Order: sequence, then C-alpha cells, then structure tokens
Amino acid sequence: GENVEQHPSTLSVQEGDSAVIKCTYSDSASNYFPWYKQELGKRPQLIIDIRSNVGEKKDQRIAVTLNKTAKHFSLHITETQPEDSAVYFCAASKGGGSYIPTFGRGTSLIVHP
Amino acid sequence: NAGVTQTPKFQVLKTGQSMTLQCAQDMNHEYMSWYRQDPGMGLRLIHYSVGAGITDQGEVPNGYNVSRSTTEDFPLRLLSAAPSQTSVYFCASRAPGVADTQYFGPGTRLTVL
Repeated sequence: GENVEQHPSTLSVQEGDSAVIKCTYSDSASNYFPWYKQELGKRPQLIIDIRSNVGEKKDQRIAVTLNKTAKHFSLHITETQPEDSAVYFCAASKGGGSYIPTFGRGTSLIVHP
Repeated sequence: NAGVTQTPKFQVLKTGQSMTLQCAQDMNHEYMSWYRQDPGMGLRLIHYSVGAGITDQGEVPNGYNVSRSTTEDFPLRLLSAAPSQTSVYFCASRAPGVADTQYFGPGTRLTVL
C-alpha cells in the first residue's frame, strides 16, 4: 500500500519567516495530494490540495509543489503568523472508485511572535 | 448543514467494557471513514465504507467493528475496550470524486482505564 513520510515532525519559526514541510510518497499511481491543518483540540481541515497534472498551486500565503518524478510534494507558508501555529498533515491518494487517503505523521508548526 | 457530527465528545471506559462511537453526516456522502489519532502517529485508518452495506478494513482494524446500514450513519463499535484503544477518534466523509474534499467530524476523546 501507499506510504507517506513527512518531515520535519516539529518546525519552529519566527513570525514573518517562511516555513516548508516536505512529504514523500511511495505509490506512483497516487494522483491527489491534500494538506490539512489541525489547530489544537480541533478537527483537521483541508487548506490546499494539488493534483498530479499540476506542478504548483498557490492560495495567498500558502503554496504546494509536486515533483512526480521524485515522488515528493511540499507545503510552503510565507510570512508566517502566530495563527499559523498548528499541526499540518500531508496525504496521498489514488483516484478511482475508492479513494482513501494515506496520511503522513504530521508536522507541529510553532510560530513565535 | 451540520456536516459531520460525532457523539460523544469525551468518554471514559474501563477495560473490557463495550461502547459505540456515533458518526453521522448530512451531505449525502458515499464514502465514510474512521481514524484514530495518537501523538506522533498521525491519522491511522481503522475502517472505511464506500456506501451503505459496504465496509472494509483499514490499517488498524483489530478490536473495532463497523456497519453501514444507511448513507448517513457509520458507527464504530469497541467490543471489549483495552488501554491501547485510548485515543482521539475522528470520523470523516467525502463524495466519490477523485479530488473531493474529505470532511472530518469534531472527534471523540476516548480513555480506557
């Protein structure tokens, strides 16, 4: 089955800095890569996603890049703010009839004011 | 729409007790899943369903049963609780399109003594 590795497990930055979280996946048939943000005590919520026919996608201060050849994808957050502090999860899945995403273990991002 | 709802929010069990975690969604989603979240382990899939009457095992199914008699409901049953089942449990649902967003419930925090 699919295996998703996520690094780092903890990331500490100063407000205004950029943050990068990296994930690798094992199944070359995976073609959909969502990112979820989970604030303390809350449920995971989708913040951005990318499909395999796209190399990069941006939404304001966040962006995701995908390298299908190397089987890795990354989340970039620019101009970090304290409210970006949360746990971020990457996931990978295949399309078709029974898409069930496999999640990475999560990155705890701490933004210091 | 209420989205994905879970009950109870908190539960304490003694070893050997049984209970059912409830999950319901009002978005007419075909796909529903149960995850457990433990520190440093990310979100691990317990069981999932691709429609009423159809269920399958995920990564960590032992000790848990599910059934799907309606599109809306997907209960998770612990037949004989063990301390290793202490965790936060999330239910999720999504439509069957390859890039459809997966929505999570608010979670149930379960402690087994």
